[in-house]
Amino acid sequence: SQKIEQNSEALNIQEGKTATLTCNYTNYSPAYLQWYRQDPGRGPVFLLLIRENEKEKRKERLKVTFDTTLKQSLFHITASQPADSATYLCALRGSGTYKYIFGTGTRLKVLA
Amino acid sequence: NAGVTQTPKFRVLKTGQSMTLLCAQDMNHEYMYWYRQDPGMGLRLIHYSVGEGTTAKGEVPDGYNVSRLKKQNFLLGLESAAPSQTSVYFCASSGTARPQETQYFGPGTRLLVL
Repeated sequence: SQKIEQNSEALNIQEGKTATLTCNYTNYSPAYLQWYRQDPGRGPVFLLLIRENEKEKRKERLKVTFDTTLKQSLFHITASQPADSATYLCALRGSGTYKYIFGTGTRLKVLA
Repeated sequence: NAGVTQTPKFRVLKTGQSMTLLCAQDMNHEYMYWYRQDPGMGLRLIHYSVGEGTTAKGEVPDGYNVSRLKKQNFLLGLESAAPSQTSVYFCASSGTARPQETQYFGPGTRLLVL
């Protein structure tokens, strides 16, 4: 069955460092991959979309890579700040479907 | 622009009771989704709609029904609530204009079934 894995353990990093979060998937060939941010008690907020034919996407301090051979996406936050502390979700969608499958998310804590 | 709103924010039900969760969006989006989020399970799709008058089943549709009579509204019904339906429910919408993939989420409804 289709499976998306994100590190369930929280990631703690020091302010100013680069945070790297991982999204691995199996039994799936996504055409689109998204990353969302979710704060406690709130709905997810869209951050970035990357397509299967794109290797890398950037937006300000955020960078996403997509390796369809490794079946993995990496999400980077450079110069991290305490305000970046949140749970980050990855979501995948195949072509020909409207449905996204979400990972369980990784909680990031940036220490001042 | 209110974006996506959900009503109610919190509800307690007894087993066997019924209720309807309302989702409204003011962005003229075609696609609307209902998810549930449980600890350790991530977001799971219950039902979705690709346009007014259409609905389709998602990953976990049993025990739920939906209706999309108006483009801006997507209703999720629980016919006979069970404790297993205790969860946080999120509605989302997305449009047809690029970036068409972006889903805009509501603030969520916390449901406790006793």
